[in-house]
Amino acid sequence: QSALTQPRSVSGSPGQSVTISCTGTSTDVGAFNFVSWYQHHPVKAPKLIIFDVNKRPSGVPDRFSGSKSGNTASLTISGLQADDDGDYYCSSYAGRYSVIFGTGTKVTVL
Amino acid sequence: QVLLVQSGAEVKKPGASVKVSCKASGYAFTAFYIHWVRQAPGQGLEWMGWINPNTGATNYAQRFQGSVTLTRDTSITTTYLELSSLTSDATAIYYCARVGLNSLSFFDYWGQGTVVTVSS
Repeated sequence: QSALTQPRSVSGSPGQSVTISCTGTSTDVGAFNFVSWYQHHPVKAPKLIIFDVNKRPSGVPDRFSGSKSGNTASLTISGLQADDDGDYYCSSYAGRYSVIFGTGTKVTVL
Repeated sequence: QVLLVQSGAEVKKPGASVKVSCKASGYAFTAFYIHWVRQAPGQGLEWMGWINPNTGATNYAQRFQGSVTLTRDTSITTTYLELSSLTSDATAIYYCARVGLNSLSFFDYWGQGTVVTVSS
């Protein structure tokens, strides 16, 4: 099973918005509303920022939002801030009690 | 508070085995599945499998079947990842992660990661 496809990198200036896409198939992203997103800074543990497509855990600012259409999920970061810099990964339930991650996107705040 | 604390870095020779631990605290250990995820150098996150701490049932990603074993010890609220017949491809950071409440697939708490280096 191949990883979900994400753009390698996106960038934006402080205050702008960026959107990261996450493309899967009809057997993972398209089949279930179980897409989550993680922020990952090097040498730290990943941090959950979106689950079940568009839900935010407690403490995650509403600048982070998620959506899904068909086989593609998206993460939008509004009002970019310097500490949003980092790697972002999507993941999805893929059936048969398995999980699949995306290829990862490096977000650069200019 | 919920904590997952992993064992320290390991350096192993090719062909050896390694066992990484993940000690859970701050919640009902048997109520939440533990998953393992790895990140090889320069690569993305890769899901490896899960263990049900209550029953010991496991499920592995296809590419890790036969080379990875997940176990747990409920008396010390610890899960283990054992990698056998190590090759340099196993060099990576290994994370344990707790699945969210009533979830199949998102991870709300993570261990700090364990670096495993395989080198002759």
